[in-house]
Amino acid sequence: DMKVTQMPRYLIKRMGENVLLECGQDMSHETMYWYRQDPGLGLQLIYISYDVDSNSEGDIPKGYRVSRKKREHFSLILDSAKTNQTSVYFCASGSKQFFGPGTRLTVL
Amino acid sequence: QQQVRQSPQSLTVWEGETAILNCSYEDSTFDYFPWYWQFPRESPALLIAIRPVSNKKEDGRFTIFFNKREKKLSLHITDSQPGDSATYFCAASADNYAQGLTFGLGTRVSVFP
Repeated sequence: DMKVTQMPRYLIKRMGENVLLECGQDMSHETMYWYRQDPGLGLQLIYISYDVDSNSEGDIPKGYRVSRKKREHFSLILDSAKTNQTSVYFCASGSKQFFGPGTRLTVL
Repeated sequence: QQQVRQSPQSLTVWEGETAILNCSYEDSTFDYFPWYWQFPRESPALLIAIRPVSNKKEDGRFTIFFNKREKKLSLHITDSQPGDSATYFCAASADNYAQGLTFGLGTRVSVFP
């Protein structure tokens, strides 16, 4: 059964703290994505990863970085989180973009 | 500038009616157009998709009509059911998915029994 997992599901951080969001997939997909979803703005692409250590900026990469050291894992990192990074973050995997369950991040 | 536009923002239909959701795009390099649906507190899920080589794609009660010349497409939901109540997103991608998806802002569909 194809699966995209995200951890944690919910996270509350204070402004200036570092944040690590993790995504895993068990389908050996080469390509993985990070999106954020905000009311009124829809889903926006943050980063794409084409394979291990092969990453590319999406439409809104500022304030984020990513890491992909294994094909099955793709991490999103917020160094010194800001309040405007409060959002729901979705990881997607594969050309058909199977979405994970999302991480609801609140930055206070 | 919104590259993918959807209308209407919200739509209410009665059970059994046909719901029509519209989508238009700007970028001529887009070559893949999926529709996703999303239920409250859940993640988006792929519903149906089309490539410009076709002008119609059907999957059960869901049909995409595509007009490449006008850069428009629409999703028709025939015999709408209350379980179809969700937000529907039109999306587009270029270069065979390599650029990721650009999403519209969505159409919220409510189907009343």
